[in-house]
Amino acid sequence: AQTVTQSQPEMSVQEAETVTLSCTYDTSESNYYLFWYKQPPSRQMILVIRQEAYKQQNATENRFSVNFQKAAKSFSLKISDSQLGDTAMYFCALGDSNYQLIWGAGTKLIIKP
Amino acid sequence: DADVTQTPRNRITKTGKRIMLECSQTKGHDRMYWYRQDPGLGLRLIYYSFDVKDINKGEISDGYSVSRQAQAKFSLSLESAIPNQTALYFCATSDLLGARTDTQYFGPGTRLTVL
Repeated sequence: AQTVTQSQPEMSVQEAETVTLSCTYDTSESNYYLFWYKQPPSRQMILVIRQEAYKQQNATENRFSVNFQKAAKSFSLKISDSQLGDTAMYFCALGDSNYQLIWGAGTKLIIKP
Repeated sequence: DADVTQTPRNRITKTGKRIMLECSQTKGHDRMYWYRQDPGLGLRLIYYSFDVKDINKGEISDGYSVSRQAQAKFSLSLESAIPNQTALYFCATSDLLGARTDTQYFGPGTRLTVL
Protein backbone atom coordinates (compact mmCIF):
# COMPACT_ATOMS: atom_id res chain seq x y z
CA ALA A 1 0.00 0.00 0.00
CA GLN A 2 1.09 3.54 -0.69
CA THR A 3 2.08 5.60 2.33
CA VAL A 4 3.31 9.11 3.00
CA THR A 5 5.20 9.98 6.17
CA GLN A 6 5.99 13.40 7.55
CA SER A 7 8.21 12.89 10.56
CA GLN A 8 8.17 16.47 11.88
CA PRO A 9 4.87 17.32 13.60
CA GLU A 10 5.96 20.90 14.26
CA MET A 11 8.81 23.24 13.36
CA SER A 12 9.58 26.86 14.04
CA VAL A 13 12.15 29.23 12.56
CA GLN A 14 12.92 32.91 12.59
CA GLU A 15 11.70 35.12 9.80
CA ALA A 16 14.11 35.26 6.83
CA GLU A 17 15.70 31.90 7.69
CA THR A 18 15.60 28.83 5.48
CA VAL A 19 13.63 25.79 6.60
CA THR A 20 13.32 22.27 5.20
CA LEU A 21 10.31 20.04 5.73
CA SER A 22 10.74 16.29 5.31
CA CYS A 23 8.55 13.79 3.53
CA THR A 24 9.11 10.14 2.70
CA TYR A 25 6.78 7.93 0.75
CA ASP A 26 6.33 4.41 -0.44
CA THR A 27 4.93 3.27 -3.75
CA SER A 28 5.62 0.37 -6.07
CA GLU A 29 5.06 2.47 -9.16
CA SER A 30 7.69 4.22 -11.23
CA ASN A 31 5.58 7.08 -12.51
CA TYR A 32 3.67 9.29 -10.08
CA TYR A 33 3.25 12.86 -8.88
CA LEU A 34 4.25 14.41 -5.59
CA PHE A 35 2.77 17.54 -4.08
CA TRP A 36 3.22 19.96 -1.22
CA TYR A 37 0.08 21.73 -0.05
CA LYS A 38 -0.12 24.57 2.44
CA GLN A 39 -3.01 25.13 4.86
CA PRO A 40 -2.85 28.52 6.60
CA PRO A 41 -5.09 29.40 9.55
CA SER A 42 -7.78 30.35 7.04
CA ARG A 43 -7.95 26.52 6.48
CA GLN A 44 -7.84 26.83 2.70
CA MET A 45 -5.73 24.08 1.06
CA ILE A 46 -3.30 25.72 -1.38
CA LEU A 47 -0.95 23.97 -3.79
CA VAL A 48 2.66 25.00 -3.14
CA ILE A 49 4.62 22.88 -5.57
CA ARG A 50 4.30 19.78 -7.76
CA GLN A 51 6.89 17.26 -8.94
CA GLU A 52 6.53 14.62 -11.63
CA ALA A 53 8.51 11.53 -10.76
CA TYR A 54 9.87 11.00 -14.27
CA LYS A 55 11.50 14.44 -14.22
CA GLN A 56 14.94 14.47 -12.66
CA GLN A 57 15.05 18.22 -12.23
CA ASN A 58 13.77 19.44 -8.88
CA ALA A 59 10.72 21.70 -9.06
CA THR A 60 10.97 25.30 -7.90
CA GLU A 61 8.38 27.99 -7.33
CA ASN A 62 9.87 31.30 -6.24
CA ARG A 63 11.07 30.78 -2.63
CA PHE A 64 9.89 27.17 -2.58
CA SER A 65 11.93 24.28 -3.92
CA VAL A 66 12.04 20.54 -3.46
CA ASN A 67 14.77 17.97 -3.08
CA PHE A 68 13.40 14.91 -4.85
CA GLN A 69 15.37 11.72 -4.24
CA LYS A 70 13.52 9.03 -6.16
CA ALA A 71 15.68 6.10 -5.11
CA ALA A 72 15.39 7.06 -1.46
CA LYS A 73 11.68 7.91 -1.87
CA SER A 74 12.24 11.27 -0.27
CA PHE A 75 10.58 14.57 -1.18
CA SER A 76 11.57 17.47 1.05
CA LEU A 77 10.38 21.07 0.76
CA LYS A 78 12.77 23.97 1.24
CA ILE A 79 11.44 27.42 2.01
CA SER A 80 13.99 30.19 1.55
CA ASP A 81 13.79 33.65 3.12
CA SER A 82 10.81 32.55 5.21
CA GLN A 83 8.04 35.06 5.78
CA LEU A 84 5.38 35.41 8.47
CA GLY A 85 2.77 34.47 5.87
CA ASP A 86 4.42 31.07 5.49
CA THR A 87 3.06 30.08 8.89
CA ALA A 88 0.76 27.14 8.12
CA MET A 89 0.30 23.38 8.11
CA TYR A 90 2.19 21.79 5.25
CA PHE A 91 1.04 18.49 3.76
CA CYS A 92 2.94 16.17 1.47
CA ALA A 93 0.84 14.05 -0.92
CA LEU A 94 1.45 11.26 -3.42
CA GLY A 95 -0.62 10.72 -6.56
CA ASP A 96 -0.30 7.54 -8.57
CA SER A 97 -2.40 5.35 -10.85
CA ASN A 98 -4.96 4.67 -8.12
CA TYR A 99 -6.50 8.03 -9.03
CA GLN A 100 -6.30 9.20 -5.45
CA LEU A 101 -3.95 11.33 -3.43
CA ILE A 102 -2.33 9.74 -0.38
CA TRP A 103 -1.65 12.34 2.29
CA GLY A 104 0.85 12.72 5.08
CA ALA A 105 -0.27 13.84 8.54
CA GLY A 106 1.22 17.30 8.09
CA THR A 107 3.90 19.53 9.61
CA LYS A 108 2.94 22.66 11.50
CA LEU A 109 5.38 25.43 10.54
CA ILE A 110 5.62 28.57 12.65
CA ILE A 111 7.59 31.56 11.41
CA LYS A 112 8.63 33.80 14.30
CA PRO A 113 9.17 37.55 13.85
CA ASP B 1 -15.33 34.25 -7.74
CA ALA B 2 -13.90 31.10 -6.22
CA ASP B 3 -13.47 28.13 -8.54
CA VAL B 4 -14.62 25.58 -5.93
CA THR B 5 -17.30 26.59 -3.46
CA GLN B 6 -18.76 24.76 -0.49
CA THR B 7 -21.93 25.41 1.48
CA PRO B 8 -22.38 25.78 4.34
CA ARG B 9 -19.02 26.99 5.67
CA ASN B 10 -19.92 26.09 9.22
CA ARG B 11 -22.67 23.88 10.60
CA ILE B 12 -23.69 22.69 14.04
CA THR B 13 -26.16 19.83 14.20
CA LYS B 14 -27.45 17.23 16.63
CA THR B 15 -26.91 13.49 16.76
CA GLY B 16 -29.29 11.64 14.46
CA LYS B 17 -29.98 14.53 12.11
CA ARG B 18 -29.55 14.25 8.37
CA ILE B 19 -27.22 16.82 6.88
CA MET B 20 -26.04 17.63 3.37
CA LEU B 21 -22.87 19.43 2.39
CA GLU B 22 -22.76 20.87 -1.10
CA CYS B 23 -19.91 21.52 -3.50
CA SER B 24 -19.92 23.39 -6.79
CA GLN B 25 -17.07 24.07 -9.21
CA THR B 26 -16.53 26.28 -12.21
CA LYS B 27 -13.19 24.76 -13.25
CA GLY B 28 -14.81 22.38 -15.73
CA HIS B 29 -13.10 19.38 -14.12
CA ASP B 30 -14.55 15.90 -14.40
CA ARG B 31 -13.15 14.53 -11.15
CA MET B 32 -14.51 15.53 -7.78
CA TYR B 33 -13.64 14.36 -4.27
CA TRP B 34 -14.84 14.61 -0.69
CA TYR B 35 -12.29 14.52 2.13
CA ARG B 36 -12.45 14.64 5.86
CA GLN B 37 -9.72 16.29 7.95
CA ASP B 38 -9.13 15.48 11.60
CA PRO B 39 -6.27 16.90 13.69
CA GLY B 40 -3.11 14.83 13.33
CA LEU B 41 -4.57 12.58 10.63
CA GLY B 42 -4.20 14.64 7.48
CA LEU B 43 -6.89 14.24 4.85
CA ARG B 44 -8.83 11.03 4.36
CA LEU B 45 -10.87 10.31 1.26
CA ILE B 46 -14.59 9.66 1.73
CA TYR B 47 -15.89 9.39 -1.86
CA TYR B 48 -14.74 10.34 -5.32
CA SER B 49 -16.40 10.68 -8.71
CA PHE B 50 -14.86 10.69 -12.17
CA ASP B 51 -18.04 11.74 -13.91
CA VAL B 52 -21.77 11.97 -13.28
CA LYS B 53 -22.25 8.21 -13.64
CA ASP B 54 -19.14 7.13 -11.77
CA ILE B 55 -19.10 7.17 -7.95
CA ASN B 56 -16.49 5.37 -5.87
CA LYS B 57 -15.98 4.74 -2.19
CA GLY B 58 -12.86 6.04 -0.55
CA GLU B 59 -11.04 5.05 2.61
CA ILE B 60 -13.78 6.05 5.07
CA SER B 61 -17.18 5.92 3.30
CA ASP B 62 -19.20 4.28 6.10
CA GLY B 63 -21.88 6.63 7.40
CA TYR B 64 -21.71 8.87 4.31
CA SER B 65 -23.37 8.98 0.90
CA VAL B 66 -22.86 11.20 -2.12
CA SER B 67 -24.71 12.47 -5.15
CA ARG B 68 -23.20 13.83 -8.38
CA GLN B 69 -26.04 15.94 -9.69
CA ALA B 70 -24.08 17.40 -12.59
CA GLN B 71 -20.50 17.74 -13.71
CA ALA B 72 -20.21 20.82 -11.54
CA LYS B 73 -22.02 19.62 -8.40
CA PHE B 74 -21.11 16.94 -5.86
CA SER B 75 -22.97 16.62 -2.55
CA LEU B 76 -22.05 14.72 0.60
CA SER B 77 -24.75 13.49 2.98
CA LEU B 78 -24.64 12.22 6.52
CA GLU B 79 -27.85 10.22 6.89
CA SER B 80 -27.76 10.12 10.67
CA ALA B 81 -24.99 12.29 12.08
CA ILE B 82 -22.93 11.10 15.04
CA PRO B 83 -20.43 13.04 17.18
CA ASN B 84 -17.34 11.33 15.74
CA GLN B 85 -18.25 12.82 12.36
CA THR B 86 -17.30 16.20 13.77
CA ALA B 87 -14.53 17.34 11.42
CA LEU B 88 -13.48 19.70 8.65
CA TYR B 89 -14.80 18.54 5.27
CA PHE B 90 -13.21 19.47 1.97
CA CYS B 91 -14.40 19.14 -1.59
CA ALA B 92 -11.76 19.01 -4.31
CA THR B 93 -11.62 18.77 -8.10
CA SER B 94 -9.00 17.67 -10.59
CA ASP B 95 -8.65 17.43 -14.32
CA LEU B 96 -8.07 14.24 -16.25
CA LEU B 97 -4.45 14.21 -17.37
CA GLY B 98 -3.36 10.76 -18.37
CA ALA B 99 -3.56 7.96 -15.89
CA ARG B 100 -1.96 9.68 -12.94
CA THR B 101 -3.63 11.70 -10.23
CA ASP B 102 -2.80 15.30 -10.90
CA THR B 103 -3.22 18.49 -8.93
CA GLN B 104 -6.37 18.75 -6.85
CA TYR B 105 -8.03 22.11 -6.21
CA PHE B 106 -9.85 22.56 -2.95
CA GLY B 107 -12.89 24.38 -1.73
CA PRO B 108 -12.72 26.46 1.46
CA GLY B 109 -13.96 23.63 3.68
CA THR B 110 -17.00 23.08 5.88
CA ARG B 111 -16.57 22.91 9.64
CA LEU B 112 -19.15 20.42 10.90
CA THR B 113 -19.91 19.92 14.58
CA VAL B 114 -22.22 17.12 15.72
CA LEU B 115 -23.47 17.50 19.28
